[in-house]
Amino acid sequence: SQTIHQWPATLVQPVGSPLSLECTVEGTSNPNLYWYRQAAGRGLQLLFYSVGIGQISSEVPQNLSASRPQDRQFILSSKKLLLSDSGFYLCAWTSGSRTDTQYFGPGTRLTVL
Amino acid sequence: DAKTTQPNSMESNEEEPVHLPCNHSTISGTDYIHWYRQLPSQGPEYVIHGLTSNVNNRMASLAIAEDRKSSTLILHRATLRDAAVYYCILSGGGADGLTFGKGTHLIIQP
Repeated sequence: SQTIHQWPATLVQPVGSPLSLECTVEGTSNPNLYWYRQAAGRGLQLLFYSVGIGQISSEVPQNLSASRPQDRQFILSSKKLLLSDSGFYLCAWTSGSRTDTQYFGPGTRLTVL
Repeated sequence: DAKTTQPNSMESNEEEPVHLPCNHSTISGTDYIHWYRQLPSQGPEYVIHGLTSNVNNRMASLAIAEDRKSSTLILHRATLRDAAVYYCILSGGGADGLTFGKGTHLIIQP
């Protein structure tokens, strides 16, 4: 069966510090991968998606970046965090078929102080 | 993705059926209707999806209007564990992710 992992589960970082969040998927190959963010009291916002290794599409211009160094690994990064980067970061995957379900990871709760 | 409209919140009693409405008057002929729910401090969880016909699974039923401009998620017997935010989402099947609205906050009273 397929599973999706995210770490860390929680993170507290000072403003201006770098960020690296990791997401890995097991039990499937060539998934479409997604990063979403949910700010406190708000809905989910799609940040990035990837249909293959090295292929990244950005939905929202900001100080975050994403990379996909391996088929089942998706990384979210920042060189300098802002207070507004605080939120609940969720990774998701699909197999890419037209009606396919998105499966979400457990999330990382990031607090920038 | 086309826009959906849902009530901000709904309240129901435990062990009673719950009908969660969703309006999507600008739906295109190729859009699927998806429902997800999000429990507190967790990622969204798939509930059900459909195109034209009503759908049933172990979690819920999805009733789709004949003109497809609205749909209703039906929880047949709500439990306290069904308290969550329910999202109705239209998807044309592209790889570019889902557009989440504010959803409906479902409150279940014991």
